[in-house]
Amino acid sequence: GENVEQHPSTLSVQEGDSAVIKCTYSDSASNYFPWYKQELGKRPQLIIDIRSNVGEKKDQRIAVTLNKTAKHFSLHITETQPEDSAVYFCAATLSGGGADGLTFGKGTHLIIQP
Amino acid sequence: DADVTQTPRNRITKTGKRIMLECSQTKGHDRMYWYRQDPGLGLRLIYYSFDVKDINKGEISDGYSVSRQAQAKFSLSLESAIPNQTALYFCATSGGRGREQYFGPGTRLTVT
Repeated sequence: GENVEQHPSTLSVQEGDSAVIKCTYSDSASNYFPWYKQELGKRPQLIIDIRSNVGEKKDQRIAVTLNKTAKHFSLHITETQPEDSAVYFCAATLSGGGADGLTFGKGTHLIIQP
Repeated sequence: DADVTQTPRNRITKTGKRIMLECSQTKGHDRMYWYRQDPGLGLRLIYYSFDVKDINKGEISDGYSVSRQAQAKFSLSLESAIPNQTALYFCATSGGRGREQYFGPGTRLTVT
């Protein structure tokens, strides 16, 4: 099955600086890569996603890049703000036949220092 | 997101008890999922369902069973709860594979 590795587990940055979270996946057949943000005590919510036919996608201060050859994808947050503090999860689709569901990384706790 | 609801929100139960967690959605989605979240382990897929007649095991289905009573309802059961099933459980829905999954608010389950 799919395996998703996520680094770092904790990331502390100064407000206004950029943050980068990296993930690798094992199954070359995976083709959908979402990123979820989970605030303390809340449910995960999608912030951006990318499909395997696209190399980069941006949405305001957030961008995701995908390198299919190397099987890794990254989340970039620019001009970080206090409300960006949360746990971020990358994920990839399960592959094979009619399989479904997401395989998640273990999460990155992003801390924005004032 | 009030479109996906879970009951109960918190539950404490004893080892060996049977417990059911319920999920309802008003998004009209065919696909529903159950995930388990443990600190430091992310979310792991327990079961998923394409429709009422199609139920599939996920990564960690042992010790769990599910029922899809209707398109809008998907229940997770622990037949005989054990302490290592203490976790935060999330239900999710999706309009199709490779589409956004919408999560419910979660059920915090403690097995003593």
